[in-house]
Amino acid sequence: DQQVKQNSPSLSVQEGRISILNCDYTNSMFDYFLWYKKYPAEGPTFLISISSIKDKNEDGRFTVFLNKSAKHLSLHIVPSQPGDSAVYFCAAITSGTYKYIFGTGTRLKVLA
Amino acid sequence: KAGVTQTPRYLIKTRGQQVTLSCSPISGHRSVSWYQQTPGQGLQFLFEYFSETQRNKGNFPGRFSGRQFSNSRSEMNVSTLELGDSALYLCASSLGIAGAHYNEQFFGPGTRLTVL
Repeated sequence: DQQVKQNSPSLSVQEGRISILNCDYTNSMFDYFLWYKKYPAEGPTFLISISSIKDKNEDGRFTVFLNKSAKHLSLHIVPSQPGDSAVYFCAAITSGTYKYIFGTGTRLKVLA
Repeated sequence: KAGVTQTPRYLIKTRGQQVTLSCSPISGHRSVSWYQQTPGQGLQFLFEYFSETQRNKGNFPGRFSGRQFSNSRSEMNVSTLELGDSALYLCASSLGIAGAHYNEQFFGPGTRLTVL
């Protein structure tokens, strides 16, 4: 039972354009969401997060949007850079269990 | 400050063997979580240890076990290895309970286990 889904395994975007990575979830008890970036041969690193009481959080080129009614989360990267090429994982937490549930990941390739 | 370290980085075992992986958290971090990453499955949560006690567990068979020592270092053991256990095993440390008060998790580079 995949509670957090990333339906696009891969995405290619031209340098300078917007990258949009999507994540859907099924558990309405999730109250905190995070995005991680993973380069080959390295562990995931935290990118940006959002609480369920907000619908948008911005940090430089990265913005996360949360649509609770649709149980949908998206990460926007503007402008995309070749160094952004990596696998992106979304994750969700329920404050009761504090257990991280990760999605399957989306491989982003930014073309120069 | 040194990051999370995992040893060994690569490991090859045969079916039926057992394996022990090690994780040293960031100094001062008391929580260590373990994850299995396989293609198409993303990161699957195995368990979390906090102050030497397992406080959370994922949906893995009993062949997967772990422990945490008083210095917060953690080990994960897999007994009777199966081909499907081939994966990247990641550990992550956090200051407090992972997820509580949104304690950020810091990941190590992982141990790549191949079961033949």
